[in-house]
Amino acid sequence: DTAVSQTPKYLVTQMGNDKSIKCEQNLGHDTMYWYKQDSKKFLKIMFSYNNKELIINETVPNRFSPKSPDKAHLNLHINSLELGDSAVYFCASSPLRGGGELFFGEGSRLTVL
Amino acid sequence: GNSVTQMEGPVTLSEEAFLTINCTYTATGYPSLFWYVQYPGEGLQLLLKATKADDKGSNKGFEATYRKETTSFHLEKGSVQVSDSAVYFCALSGAGGTSYGKLTFGQGTILTVHP
Repeated sequence: DTAVSQTPKYLVTQMGNDKSIKCEQNLGHDTMYWYKQDSKKFLKIMFSYNNKELIINETVPNRFSPKSPDKAHLNLHINSLELGDSAVYFCASSPLRGGGELFFGEGSRLTVL
Repeated sequence: GNSVTQMEGPVTLSEEAFLTINCTYTATGYPSLFWYVQYPGEGLQLLLKATKADDKGSNKGFEATYRKETTSFHLEKGSVQVSDSAVYFCALSGAGGTSYGKLTFGQGTILTVHP
């Protein structure tokens, strides 16, 4: 059983479209994250939710909207996609006050044409 | 704010060579330090961690020591294998309870090990 699972794994779309990436964790963790990895492998946090409540929003354009229907799920919706949104998006989870150990999904590679 | 700087890659080694990947950090307080590894096509996974000064983290033959005086957490392995080929990330987690585990990552170092 995959601990942190993301779908889809690959996404190719046109500029201007709207797309969503889903994430689910079965670890019972309280906190979930979205990270963006660019073409140079640099990783940057986008959002963090603790028990469905947004706690970190790192200066991400408001075209990106996370949604957490329950503490096991954190979805990412992106409106009006731009070329610069092409990246690998990683979902992760951790127990509350887990000391920084994050459990990552396998990533969703988004390509905007 | 917090930041992590890793040595530039890519790093290419022969099997059984000694590996060092340098990592230095800037942070307020007493952060926890981590090395994560990303194998091709996979997500990141924790390799080792240290939560206070002079702690040594170790796993799978890799080691790193939390050096507060030099603000460093260099990764070492005495004898690398082809299966160690991956991207290695140094990271820190802010001190205190309000960070909720937010990690600041270094830029990653690509390691390729040849037979």
